[in-house]
Amino acid sequence: QQPVQSPQAVILREGEDAVINCSSSKALYSVHWYRQKHGEAPVFLMILLKGGEQKGHEKISASFNEKKQQSSLYLTASQLSYSGTYFCGTECLMDSSYKLIFGSGTRLLVRP
Amino acid sequence: EAGVTQFPSHSVIEKGQTVTLRCDPISGHDNLYWYRRVMGKEIKFLLHFVKESKQDESGMPNNRFLAERTGGTYSTLKVQPAELEDSGVYFCASSQGSGRIDNEQFFGPGTRLTVL
Repeated sequence: QQPVQSPQAVILREGEDAVINCSSSKALYSVHWYRQKHGEAPVFLMILLKGGEQKGHEKISASFNEKKQQSSLYLTASQLSYSGTYFCGTECLMDSSYKLIFGSGTRLLVRP
Repeated sequence: EAGVTQFPSHSVIEKGQTVTLRCDPISGHDNLYWYRRVMGKEIKFLLHFVKESKQDESGMPNNRFLAERTGGTYSTLKVQPAELEDSGVYFCASSQGSGRIDNEQFFGPGTRLTVL
């Protein structure tokens, strides 16, 4: 039920690109992306809805393949501030209610 | 605008004791969620309030956990008696809207609970 995120961790040099993938075995209504810095609250990045609508961060892009039940988050020209743990949350209908099920996170470290 | 606040930020208790966590959502947000993250694992759903009603409590681990949201404002999560496996970071989040989860959830900073 829990979406699978890959990679589990990645280290980049400033300016490099990264892709974080999120894959679910269940039909998805939307995919949410959050970033958490150590000891802080997870911060909203983006929501991707069925049908192609997106809400969120202007400088971060993501894709949502509804058929494959997958989403990818694209971090380009990474900055030091991008470091943190990235979580995808998949909106699923379970037990007659909509739930946001999170993955285990992808730890990203951007070095100078 | 004040964000979601949680109290306390840290709590260390002994096995068998009781702990109560508090969450103050963003004013006007009907939806309030509780989540838990055990180190290195996923942010796991515990329950969802819509105003003062429990919309979904399917994620609550067992009957040692009791959540309330009297008056539809702040919420408390009580663990009684606490066990070692209850350790983790408890997050609260709030959002607007109803039904579908197609709006941003605003997370609090979490309460780190350690049960010794």
